[in-house]
Amino acid sequence: SQQGEEDPQALSIQEGENATMNCSYKTSINNLQWYRQNSGRGLVHLILIRSNEREKHSGRLRVTLDTSKKSSSLLITASRAADTASYFCATREMNRDDKIIFGKGTRLHILP
Amino acid sequence: EAGVTQFPSHSVIEKGQTVTLRCDPISGHDNLYWYRRVMGKEIKFLLHFVKESKQDESGMPNNRFLAERTGGTYSTLKVQPAELEDSGVYFCASSQDWSPGGYTFGSGTRLTVV
Repeated sequence: SQQGEEDPQALSIQEGENATMNCSYKTSINNLQWYRQNSGRGLVHLILIRSNEREKHSGRLRVTLDTSKKSSSLLITASRAADTASYFCATREMNRDDKIIFGKGTRLHILP
Repeated sequence: EAGVTQFPSHSVIEKGQTVTLRCDPISGHDNLYWYRRVMGKEIKFLLHFVKESKQDESGMPNNRFLAERTGGTYSTLKVQPAELEDSGVYFCASSQDWSPGGYTFGSGTRLTVV
């Protein structure tokens, strides 16, 4: 079943601006992960946030998690052209150590 | 350490033909997963191996798809016969026995069925 649902589906911003993407999910989770896929290339793991964490930072990335609302956000600060990609959230359900479920993704386009 | 490796990186075949995709996980990773992204849509789970056993194959779309992992090392995903709607990017990932962290994905195989 579909788990993560990102919004917006597509986002275009000027280089240097901040980009915010949101993800909602349905079940209780162990953790939530964000991945990036550049056009035609593989998936890159960006950051993982556990269910007992509320916020996490990694370089220009900031992830928040609100388990009461079953939602997460990914903030990319000071965007660069190289950030143009599709971004996916993925969740691992509570008490399951197997597959992760991806959302539909947000296509981010950084304008020069 | 070497990452997850997938072969080929791109395959173009005609409808009705057979294609075999290969995934070499990170050495020592018992868990191996196949996912695919069709027509730029969401990334969907196909199946999960634990060593050589299929733990979960609920995402396999139909019996034209056959996945194997002989000896619990590399895995193959065969599509026979291929249909136009099979076009997309097929991703493989691996993880350790119990990995609370993220998966390591390969660079994917772009399959184009014409």
